[in-house]
Amino acid sequence: DSGVTQTPKHLITATGQRVTLRCSPRSGDLSVYWYQQSLDQGLQFLIQYYNGEERAKGNILERFSAQQFPDLHSELNLSSLELGDSALYFCASSVEASGRRRAGELFFGEGSRLTVL
Amino acid sequence: SQQGEEDPQALSIQEGENATMNCSYKTSINNLQWYRQNSGRGLVHLILIRSNEREKHSGRLRVTLDTSKKSSSLLITASRAADTASYFCATDESDGNNRKLIWGLGTSLAVNP
Repeated sequence: DSGVTQTPKHLITATGQRVTLRCSPRSGDLSVYWYQQSLDQGLQFLIQYYNGEERAKGNILERFSAQQFPDLHSELNLSSLELGDSALYFCASSVEASGRRRAGELFFGEGSRLTVL
Repeated sequence: SQQGEEDPQALSIQEGENATMNCSYKTSINNLQWYRQNSGRGLVHLILIRSNEREKHSGRLRVTLDTSKKSSSLLITASRAADTASYFCATDESDGNNRKLIWGLGTSLAVNP
């Protein structure tokens, strides 16, 4: 058990809909990362938050947004869903101190499997 | 974006044999990390090797890093069926406040009993 909790584990929805994925990082970890994993594109970095603020942005679509709350949990919002958004969405956390200049070990949740029909 | 490259893409071996996977990257790095992913599960961190290290061991795992060739290898000795998984390398290319982990596409390892 990594200590990172993601809900829901599975989600089936229709095109055009909106969903919210939730992540609770490990106790004490300030940094949260979101990744998308599909069969044809591998692991794609979406966005990173550190202590409530956006730290880095990857290949995140404009239809997607995220935030990290004061209690450090994070939500990834996916809207106007398309068939191609079907994927596993992972959240990962790390302890990363504010002054640290290197990326350390990430702890991954078990993922949320999104199926868009 | 994913710039790391693992090879082979897929590897099938018999239990007891050694498995070697390679990872190549393109720029200077702070460290390189290896992760394992069982089918449909979250990734699990295996080992981190810093740019000033050349070799690191953890149980049956041995990782080497050659910064001159911009490559790393992961060796799993005396493999077991439970080692069947995908293995990913991630290179830390963080610079200043810009933290960046670059992921490879993974090597799928099948260990046959």
